[in-house]
Amino acid sequence: AQSVTQPDIHITVSEGASLELRCNYSYGATPYLFWYVQSPGQGLQLLLKYFSGDTLVQGIKGFEAEFKRSQSSFNLRKPSVHWSDAAEYFCAVGAPGGGADGLTFGKGTHLIIQP
Amino acid sequence: GAGVSQSPSNKVTEKGKDVELRCDPISGHTALYWYRQSLGQGLEFLIYFQGNSAPDKSGLPSDRFSAERTGGSVSTLTIQRTQQEDSAVYLCASSLRGDRGPNYGYTFGSGTRLTVV
Repeated sequence: AQSVTQPDIHITVSEGASLELRCNYSYGATPYLFWYVQSPGQGLQLLLKYFSGDTLVQGIKGFEAEFKRSQSSFNLRKPSVHWSDAAEYFCAVGAPGGGADGLTFGKGTHLIIQP
Repeated sequence: GAGVSQSPSNKVTEKGKDVELRCDPISGHTALYWYRQSLGQGLEFLIYFQGNSAPDKSGLPSDRFSAERTGGSVSTLTIQRTQQEDSAVYLCASSLRGDRGPNYGYTFGSGTRLTVV
């Protein structure tokens, strides 16, 4: 079965600083990988996703993520964070066949932005 | 519709009462999912519908929880005899099942925040 680990429950960064949120997955083949963001009181919004090809994926709001097969990781990065980036971030892994277990989510990382 | 719509956005109910939560998925999306998000927790899978197939109920926490999907579109999640531990945000998502291409992924609604007092 697939699983996702987000080792950091909370991360605090200063506005304008760079950001990296960690995600490690367990899956027997090449998975589909996703990052979602959840602002307070909102649902989850897709930031970016990886299916195949270029391992560096660009997303919305200036985010990017890099798939590293050797490390089973899909870390999310942003060169300079803005106060509006404060939110909960979820990494997810998907089985190519989809279905009920098509997306397995990590427990999330809460991002706090310091002025 | 253009997005996944959930109603109500907030629901406060007394312990022991039944509640119904509604999800209207994106038109044409054949797959529909319900998740529960408790305070400070990740997403807990509850139930999955795919077209007219029997739903996957493996995530429902107890027999007080049930869900149906009428006409392959709107879904209702029902919680009977609510308990305080049922307090959470209930999220619905839909997807185009079987699409393994670039559009694969879920679109989430804004959720229903349920508070049992």
